[in-house]
Amino acid sequence: GQNIDQPTEMTATEGAIVQINCTYQTSGFNGLFWYQQHAGEAPTFLSYNVLDGLEEKGRFSSFLSRSKGYSYLLLKELQMKDSASYLCAVRNDYKLSFGAGTTVTVRA
Amino acid sequence: GAGVSQSPSNKVTEKGKDVELRCDPISGHTALYWYRQSLGQGLEFLIYFQGNSAPDKSGLPSDRFSAERTGGSVSTLTIQRTQQEDSAVYLCASSYSGRAGNEQFFGPGTRLTVL
Repeated sequence: GQNIDQPTEMTATEGAIVQINCTYQTSGFNGLFWYQQHAGEAPTFLSYNVLDGLEEKGRFSSFLSRSKGYSYLLLKELQMKDSASYLCAVRNDYKLSFGAGTTVTVRA
Repeated sequence: GAGVSQSPSNKVTEKGKDVELRCDPISGHTALYWYRQSLGQGLEFLIYFQGNSAPDKSGLPSDRFSAERTGGSVSTLTIQRTQQEDSAVYLCASSYSGRAGNEQFFGPGTRLTVL
């Protein structure tokens, strides 16, 4: 089976840093994706990790530890537009299994 | 088109009626996926197409749900005799191929409400 856990909600201040953790126990692993989803919109791709370590892309970074079944998404220099749901998804061959998502609220 | 499109964007129907949801994937993408997103829950995999074939239908919740894909492009998800628990956002995604690592691009979804 697939079990992917992430916090339900997080709140942070504009300009701050927020780290969203994701732990997973899955029957197979071909990589881990992070998606951003604004309310009423399609999820959009943020990052993909298949090897251990940190991937940095602008204000967003994602980390993976396969041995621990753990990933995090780091959002730096938070902006109001970063208020959204962040989805952790584990890929097994062609199939993505998603966590329930973390709603991040950025306050002024 | 430039991205994945879905229609209709919203659908309200009465319990027991049939509905059809349409997905137009990105041109050239051979893999197509349907997901369901219920309130407060993660995206739930429904079905995967590679070309016109569906090698994995394991996520379809009941035999009231079916899907087809024609011409390696447009896909239709059909729900027969809709029930209130079918109310959700139905998302379609496509990728260049079904191989691991290929990013899935999502459409805006169809919000289905069954009264």
